[in-house]
Amino acid sequence: EAGVTQSPTHLIKTRGQQVTLRCSPISGHTSVYWYQQALGLGLQFLLWYDEGEERNRGNFPPRFSGRQFPNYSSELNVNALELEDSALYLCASSYGQGRVLNTEAFFGQGTRLTVV
Amino acid sequence: AQSVAQPEDQVNVAEGNPLTVKCTYSVSGNPYLFWYVQYPNRGLQFLLKYITGDNLVKGSYGFEAEFNKSQTSFHLKKPSALVSDSALYFCAVRGGFKTIFGAGTRLFVKA
Repeated sequence: EAGVTQSPTHLIKTRGQQVTLRCSPISGHTSVYWYQQALGLGLQFLLWYDEGEERNRGNFPPRFSGRQFPNYSSELNVNALELEDSALYLCASSYGQGRVLNTEAFFGQGTRLTVV
Repeated sequence: AQSVAQPEDQVNVAEGNPLTVKCTYSVSGNPYLFWYVQYPNRGLQFLLKYITGDNLVKGSYGFEAEFNKSQTSFHLKKPSALVSDSALYFCAVRGGFKTIFGAGTRLFVKA
């Protein structure tokens, strides 16, 4: 069974540009979570999608946004990139609402974004 | 609101010695607790979870964790550490549909 896949693995962008990161969840999972892990810091919760809708978002500015597609894959968009957006962006998937709640989330390998 | 704390930024232990990585949590209702490990430039790998039942949970790579409801703790343990256990460890609590992660504890196992 394929795990959570993220693309691209690495990305270099210039300040002010826009970026789109992609995530494909494990088959059968409807929930997708996005986290930011800046160097030396823990995981900061960004967004949670389930069944195509945004269910919750963390304390990030509106230039961080995303969506979930009918096949449950997800995109994370970051507009007007700033230097401090440089981080590892992790996507995770799990069973969602209405399914088993006590299951763990499975993580992708992450996208390393560098803003210069 | 739910929260999770890992009070130690770093834990150092000699190979062969037992290790403990601490985690305390706060959540309303029954907690679902998880431990993950992260190796450099990789995503998080699931180690173990507590949902209900026995307070001692066994997981991957010889790790186990003890759930203590009165102390709201879920400490990760291993009887004999390996150099290859050196990594970043995250505790997580799931209350409702949201999972919150601790800040992480870096484990160094010295040969």
